Amino acid sequence: GAGVSQSPSNKVTEKGKDVELRCDPISGHTALYWYRQSLGQGLEFLIYFQGNSAPDKSGLPSDRFSAERTGGSVSTLTIQRTQQEDSAVYLCASSLYSGGNNEQFFGPGTRLTVL
Amino acid sequence: AQSVSQHNHHVILSEAASLELGCNYSYGGTVNLFWYVQYPGQHLQLLLKYFSGDPLVKGIKGFEAEFIKSKFSFNLRKPSVQWSDTAEYFCSVKSGGGATNKLIFGTGTLLAVQP
Repeated sequence: GAGVSQSPSNKVTEKGKDVELRCDPISGHTALYWYRQSLGQGLEFLIYFQGNSAPDKSGLPSDRFSAERTGGSVSTLTIQRTQQEDSAVYLCASSLYSGGNNEQFFGPGTRLTVL
Repeated sequence: AQSVSQHNHHVILSEAASLELGCNYSYGGTVNLFWYVQYPGQHLQLLLKYFSGDPLVKGIKGFEAEFIKSKFSFNLRKPSVQWSDTAEYFCSVKSGGGATNKLIFGTGTLLAVQP
């Protein structure tokens, strides 16, 4: 079946604008994750959703970042008042369920450039 | 807090050379360990994983990794690399306690294999 998809693939925005990044997980996967890949910093965990449980937001770098997952499927990551340091590739992953022997499948990412 | 260190940031090898990429993690409890690979222009994908049992884990494309608990290490190896192994490799760790499912990644190692 289809893998994790993300849109847009590239986003260029001006400093101070808000952006929304979308993730469509693999159908039937209950767990969804957002990561950020910055140059020279590897991948950094942002937020994690599991079913109807409260999300783990421990990785969000500031209150300008938020995410929601509607209907247990599609997720949107919103960055308000973007800053240049927000420039990165934002990756979404999903897994069948959390914990245990569960592989996370990654999407292609959204490359965000803040001018 | 958990962390992952990858000692080699950029490795250049000739075809047929042997490969070993270092990975050390800091976490005192039960861990799940992973190596992910990102080929040029492609998604991040799982190379191999360790959850329990035999500490020598075999993955796809002839890769293997050995979990050495006393050294907090999970080094990736391949006896003979090919040009097609050119990619970026990420080591990651997940707490095995089940409290969270987030992956902590190292900064990655860029491997270039020369034909």
